[in-house]
This record gives sequence, C-alpha cells and structure tokens, in this order.
Amino acid sequence: GENVEQHPSTLSVQEGDSAVIKCTYSDSASNYFPWYKQELGKRPQLIIDIRSNVGEKKDQRIAVTLNKTAKHFSLHITETQPEDSAVYFCAAPIKAAGNKLTFGGGTRVLVKP
Amino acid sequence: DAGVIQSPRHEVTEMGQEVTLRCKPISGHDYLFWYRQTMMRGLELLIYFNNNVPIDDSGMPEDRFSAKMPNASFSTLKIQPSEPRDSAVYFCASAINPFLAGVGEQFFGPGTRLTVL
Repeated sequence: GENVEQHPSTLSVQEGDSAVIKCTYSDSASNYFPWYKQELGKRPQLIIDIRSNVGEKKDQRIAVTLNKTAKHFSLHITETQPEDSAVYFCAAPIKAAGNKLTFGGGTRVLVKP
Repeated sequence: DAGVIQSPRHEVTEMGQEVTLRCKPISGHDYLFWYRQTMMRGLELLIYFNNNVPIDDSGMPEDRFSAKMPNASFSTLKIQPSEPRDSAVYFCASAINPFLAGVGEQFFGPGTRLTVL
C-alpha cells in the first residue's frame, strides 16, 4: 500500500558509535523528507529535512541521505551521545493519501553509556 | 510566540463522557493538524485544516470524533461518547506549508494525555 516504512523499530548502540535508520516510501512524487525526534514524554520536534533535489544534507552529527531511484532515505547519527536516546520518526508526503505527510512507525534509539 | 498551545494537558474521564481538546496554533501558520499517538498504532494523523477549512478527515476513526476550526487561532477535537480505546496522547501541530522544504516544519504542541476509564 501507500505508506512509509521505517527500520529498525529499535536500535541500541554504544555511546560514540553511529546509528542509522532507514525509511522507504512508495510515492515517487514525494519531494520532502523530514525527520522528527521525540524524547520520552515530550512532543516530536524536527531535527533535519531534505528536499528531493538534494542527495545529502548534514547538520553537525546528524545527516540524511536520499536515494530517489530506490525510494529510500536514511538518518545517520555519528558519535552518539546519551541525549540522542529518543524515538525518531521519518515522514514523506504520499499523494495517494491526499499528499498528507505520512509518518513511519518510529525507531526507538537507546544510546548506552 | 509561545508555540502551539494545547489544553488540557491531562484529561481523565469515564466512558461515555464527552471530551473536548483545544489547540491554539502558532500565529501565521495556515495549516493545523490533529494527531493521535499510541504504542500500538504510533503517530496517526486524524484531520488537518488549511486556512480553517478541513481538508482531509480520513484519519478520523469514527463518527464519535469531530473537529472544528472556527477561526485561525483556535481548534477543537471532540470525542462523544468517549471509550477506553480512545486513551492516547493527542497532539496538535501547525505549519506554514507542510509540503515545502524550508517552511515544512510542523510545530507540535505539548499534547493532551487522555485516559478514558
């Protein structure tokens, strides 16, 4: 169906290691791909986003890569720190869903000190 | 700007009662969204408005749910009658234009944690 799939659902990493979360989308017309971070008990907040005409975007320890041909995009967190522990959501506008921003199922990241 | 404001922050009610959740979006944002978040179903979009007009309510679970936006600075989500399975965190979010990079960020409110006994 028309959706956004996110993997893995949980990810445990050692502090200092890298974390990678991948999302696949079904609508080739999707042109905007944000990532949200939600800390425990708090609201989702945008951490980075990318347009479809850009292959990669970086902001300090966070980067997002986009492969339009394969219809997937990934979040990369380098040198992870305990404060990176949270649930991360990817999203993409899906035309079949009325061009609504459809969220992935989320990835719970745990950074172990 | 104080950000998106939601009230109440917590609501505990009994099955069958009417529940009204309130949201004040960020001034100047043309889009307003209502989401529901549960462990089982994740983050679900219920309905969204553009310039106070409901655009897509296909995510509203059933007729017990209704949403209104009488003006640019206020929206309500009503559940009548409420059921235990409605227990969740309900987020309101607003955006300038959620379909465009650069202005696409959705700003979420703090959420309302609803418990229906």
